[in-house]
Amino acid sequence: QVQLQESGPGLLKPSGTLSLTCGVSGASIRSDHWWSWVRQSPGKGLEWIGEIHHSGGTNYNPSLKTRVSMSIDTSKSQFSLKLYSLTAADTAVYFCARDSSYRLYYFDSWGQGSLVTVSS
Amino acid sequence: QSVLTQPPSVSGAPGQRVTISCTGSSSNIGAGFDVHWYQQLPGRVPKLLIYHNNNRPSGVPDRFSASKSGTSASLAITGLQAEDEAEYYCQSYDSTLSYVFGTGTKVTVL
Repeated sequence: QVQLQESGPGLLKPSGTLSLTCGVSGASIRSDHWWSWVRQSPGKGLEWIGEIHHSGGTNYNPSLKTRVSMSIDTSKSQFSLKLYSLTAADTAVYFCARDSSYRLYYFDSWGQGSLVTVSS
Repeated sequence: QSVLTQPPSVSGAPGQRVTISCTGSSSNIGAGFDVHWYQQLPGRVPKLLIYHNNNRPSGVPDRFSASKSGTSASLAITGLQAEDEAEYYCQSYDSTLSYVFGTGTKVTVL
């Protein structure tokens, strides 16, 4: 059973850069899945940020595209998220998640989430 | 920003049936993309409840069912139980190459 674990700083300053990593265990990151980041602002709904494939292919949410970058390190079985030019509105719990098999566009596994607070 | 619209809240007594609607558009649900549903208990990680419009993963009780028609979908919970009190989200895919989520619905068991 795949397990996902987010890691990264919990407190960041406005205008700074968020860097999070998701470690994948129990399954190969080289399998034919896409790996996503999803966030949830306090008391709010879910927002998809973007996804990456082990081939290096990426897709980003159009509303965040100019501030997002994702990468993958198959040797370490992990993928990462960078979000630039942070504001308080980026305060959220950030989840990493795995897309289903056969590219059916739903998430079958989620990490526990990492709370990121943007504050001066 | 959520692209799919859900009612903010629904409630019902134990044993009753409640339904949650999910309204999209011609670029997501109406374009033929499947609808999936997640249950998020307070303080917990979203859990896949329904996939591919009306399929339940192993372990999900058959009191949960869903359907899709046109640009909308709905989730039904029959025989409502106290443990069903949670936030529910629909999710689909969009022609902008994005996953899209619903606004979320809080289910309260009276």
